[in-house]
Amino acid sequence: AQSVTQLGSHVSVSEGALVLLRCNYSSSVPPYLFWYVQYPNQGLQLLLKYTTGATLVKGINGFEAEFKKSETSFHLTKPSAHMSDAAEYFCAVTSGGGADGLTFGKGTHLIIQP
Amino acid sequence: DGGITQSPKYLFRKEGQNVTLSCEQNLNHDAMYWYRQDPGQGLRLIYYSQIVNDFQKGDIAEGYSVSREKKESFPLTVTSAQKNPTAFYLCASSIKDRGPGELFFGEGSRLTVL
Repeated sequence: AQSVTQLGSHVSVSEGALVLLRCNYSSSVPPYLFWYVQYPNQGLQLLLKYTTGATLVKGINGFEAEFKKSETSFHLTKPSAHMSDAAEYFCAVTSGGGADGLTFGKGTHLIIQP
Repeated sequence: DGGITQSPKYLFRKEGQNVTLSCEQNLNHDAMYWYRQDPGQGLRLIYYSQIVNDFQKGDIAEGYSVSREKKESFPLTVTSAQKNPTAFYLCASSIKDRGPGELFFGEGSRLTVL
């Protein structure tokens, strides 16, 4: 069985400050890891993904995440927050082929203070 | 433009009524999925289908039914047996050669039971 834990249901940062959203996973086999973003009343959009290879993954809108196997973590970061980054962020995991869908965390609501 | 279309976007239902949510994709994707989203709960998998005329139960299939008669269509019926159907429903699809597990989402359907 696999699972995802996102620490902090709400995270608030000032515009221009570092964004750090935490994600820890549990998987019995090497995982594939994803971060998605959701704006109000919309579907989810892929930010970035880790499958194999380089553990530091760069995504859209200046976000990146680092896969740390020893810590079972896949935290999402962005050096400088922008007002447009305010949204819900979901970490997700799958193993193997992934054809049976992704397991999602409960989400973190990112608030940007002006 | 290719994508996933969900309809209706908003739906109101009286208790005891069945309702069907539509999901159509023109991406030529093999697999399709239905997720349910509740505040603070993340996304939970209801049903998925990897091929026409075949589908599998997800984590919370009770009170729901699906069909996959065409590759591009995967409708979800919320039956009167679903005890708490008010939620945001998301349809997604994926294709094997885009990497394991990467899902493309529709805009969602919000169901409210009156």
